[in-house]
Parts: sequence; C-alpha cells; structure tokens
Amino acid sequence: DAKTTQPNSMESNEEEPVHLPCNHSTISGTDYIHWYRQLPSQGPEYVIHGLTSNVNNRMASLAIAEDRKSSTLILHRATLRDAAVYYCILTGGNKLVFGAGTILRVKS
Amino acid sequence: EPEVTQTPSHQVTQMGQEVILRCVPISNHLYFYWYRQILGQKVEFLVSFYNNEISEKSEIFDDQFSVERPDGSNFTLKIRSTKLEDSAMYFCASSPRWSLNTEAFFGQGTRLTVV
Repeated sequence: DAKTTQPNSMESNEEEPVHLPCNHSTISGTDYIHWYRQLPSQGPEYVIHGLTSNVNNRMASLAIAEDRKSSTLILHRATLRDAAVYYCILTGGNKLVFGAGTILRVKS
Repeated sequence: EPEVTQTPSHQVTQMGQEVILRCVPISNHLYFYWYRQILGQKVEFLVSFYNNEISEKSEIFDDQFSVERPDGSNFTLKIRSTKLEDSAMYFCASSPRWSLNTEAFFGQGTRLTVV
C-alpha cells in the first residue's frame, strides 16, 4: 500500500479555514485519495475523496496537486466539533490502511 | 440517515473466553469489514467480507478470529480464546460496493476489555 505523510498535529482558531496537508509521493495512477476523521471516542468518519480533480462536499474541500503527489484537505470554517484526528489514505485495494493522521486542535 | 450499529458498546471478558462482537451493516451494502484500534494506536484492518466469504485478511486475523454473516443482516466477529492483547476498540464498517471510488461507513465501535 502506498504511504502517506501527514503532520502529527495542527492547531486552528475557531471560524477560520484549516488546510491539512498530505504527501503521497508514491501514489499510483489508480489510487484514490480518501480523507477520514475520527472524533474522540468515535469510529472513523468519511470526509471526502478524489482521484485527480479538486472535490467539494458539505464537509470539506479536497485540493489535489497536478502531479498527485500531495493533497490538502480544506475545512472552510473550523468549529470546535471539527477537533479530531484526520487521516489521509490511499485506497489501492479493498481496505483502508490508516496511518497516525493529524491531530487537529481547534481553539475558541 | 442509515448507520452501522454495533453491540455491545463495551464488553468485558476473562482471558481464554470466547467473545462475539455484533454488527448490523447498512442494509443495501455488500462489503463488510472489521478493524481494531488498541488504545493510543492506529486503526488496523482485520478482515473484509463479501458474498459470504472472506475477501482479504491481515496478519492479525489468525485462527483465533472468525467472521460470519449468519442471517443476512448481522455481521459478527468471534474471538475464540481471548488474550489480554485483544483488548481494543473493534470497529465494523460497510460499503455499498467494492470500489476505490466509494466510502466506508463505520460503527461506533465495541470496546473489548480482556481481564
């Protein structure tokens, strides 16, 4: 499974945008880039995914570099409820391989 | 909104005992998964299941583990003889199809404590 690299932690102020980076330099042509998050004491929750083009949904936006070796999850206005571990995952098979993710702290 | 439900939320068992963790996936989903997360560690894949058989399993999923879909709605994980190191959160997940272009839906988990 191709690997991803994310910062261990990030901090944001409430109501401000947050950009969570992910590097995946060994991504293959068929790997989708998925983002999940895990709120405290809960199961992982799907956020967004994409292949080549930028994607938007009600939760977030995903910006994918042209060479696909990196991507950025964008939360447009962070709230306290967005404090969680965010995982960037490449799906090259029929399973999700979770890394350590980025712990996002949101300050009020 | 449809959701994956898991029972019980917390299970305490003695070492060496058998335990069955239960999951009800979303009704029209075809692919089912078990993951586990030891306290403070990463979420780890255990097994995927499709068409009444295991499609992939990890090294963790040894002979002590088994999965079953006994009645078309429940999806169970059995640990035959629990060890202390089996203590973890166990998450069930389901997805509507096998595809790299789809999302998985996770349950809230069962916390298994082996004493």
